[in-house]
Amino acid sequence: EIVMTQSPGTLSVSPGERATLSCRASQSVSSNLAWYQQKPGQAPRLVIYGASTRATGIPARFSGSGSGTEFTLTISSLQSEDFAVYYCQQYNNWPPMYTFGQGTKLEIK
Amino acid sequence: QAQLVESGGGVVQPGRSLRLSCAASGFIFSRYGIHWVRQAPGKGLEWVAVIWYDGSSKYYADSVKGRFTISRDNSKNTLYLQMNSLRVEDTAVYFCAGSGSSGWYVPFDYWGQGTLVTVSS
Repeated sequence: EIVMTQSPGTLSVSPGERATLSCRASQSVSSNLAWYQQKPGQAPRLVIYGASTRATGIPARFSGSGSGTEFTLTISSLQSEDFAVYYCQQYNNWPPMYTFGQGTKLEIK
Repeated sequence: QAQLVESGGGVVQPGRSLRLSCAASGFIFSRYGIHWVRQAPGKGLEWVAVIWYDGSSKYYADSVKGRFTISRDNSKNTLYLQMNSLRVEDTAVYFCAGSGSSGWYVPFDYWGQGTLVTVSS
């Protein structure tokens, strides 16, 4: 089983500043890596897929990078609506097993 | 646009069964694989199961293998999750989630709002 590890667990950033979230896979997942945003009481929302492609409707301040085992989600100039929990997910396994990281809570500093 | 609506959650005693449903609309349901994902209270996301577009292949997380069964009825645009031998640790919000792309190696583009299952005596 591929284990996904996110860091940090909680990130405190001021509005307007940049946030950098990390995700590490226990073995290579190529570029089959997605990031999801989840706000309290809501379903997750796809933000990035293919490690670096923004999903439909996602603002350009969100960017993803990495391949293999190391991935980063960067949010430049944080807006109030960006504060949420972010999960990375790999979808590269066979047989299929779509493991998530434990999440990074992005909170207002 | 794609919409998924879960139902069937509730309170159930340990060892009992429950069946969840997920009604799909706004896309060609029969073309794509679809998943169940769960989230225990205050915890992260856990993938549960996936079913191929025609129901021919199904895969499960180890934590539910042998107890849960995923199925679908493409004539009704509906996904199901039959949960047997429920345990306290199965308590969670259960989401159905799908992709706008075919194949196994695809992210989850859209999600339902979830249905809460509470396993308690």
